Amino acid sequence: DAKTTQPPSMDCAEGRAANLPCNHSTISGNEYVYWYRQIHSQGPQYIIHGLKNNETNEMASLIITEDRKSSTLILPHATLRDTAVYYCIVRVHSGNTPLVFGKGTRLSVIA
Amino acid sequence: EPEVTQTPSHQVTQMGQEVILRCVPISNHLYFYWYRQILGQKVEFLVSFYNNEISEKSEIFDDQFSVERPDGSNFTLKIRSTKLEDSAMYFCASKGDSGHTIYFGEGSWLTVV
Repeated sequence: DAKTTQPPSMDCAEGRAANLPCNHSTISGNEYVYWYRQIHSQGPQYIIHGLKNNETNEMASLIITEDRKSSTLILPHATLRDTAVYYCIVRVHSGNTPLVFGKGTRLSVIA
Repeated sequence: EPEVTQTPSHQVTQMGQEVILRCVPISNHLYFYWYRQILGQKVEFLVSFYNNEISEKSEIFDDQFSVERPDGSNFTLKIRSTKLEDSAMYFCASKGDSGHTIYFGEGSWLTVV
């Protein structure tokens, strides 16, 4: 079962920042936080991951709390094409440990 | 950008028939996975594969399912005798030896009638 808790849905106005929260209170010291998204029925798309430091790439920023029990994915300027289901997943980095998907957050970006 | 490719994109099959779904992982990747997603439900892990053997499998991956890497490039999922409840989108994924990221293909829609 997924080890994360996310709100089932969120709305965001186009052009505004989308802040997607995730709780992972039972995260272990060697588990990373990964974010993926799934647009309609396409394959899950990797967004970003982190261990304890905040991370930023061309798609998003990831803010992880100091106690690592929660995190927030930030899409700085949401567009209509960011409408998708966003999954927060904790996973041990090593080997071929699979990703375990929960139900995620359905983000609707509204014009 | 390299990608995982899957064929067919959509297959309709009769109940009881065998189905083979094919995947070409990203070149030089060593870890391979199959997932499925029944319409309206979450993405479910089926099996992981490394060094020509199954590393881990879920309860879903019963004796009706098998995987193999027959020629060093393709990675296949076989369903021996399909059931109506096997209707789903099947995703293949792969990961490199040193990387963190698991990359997914666009999926194969299987409809069992």
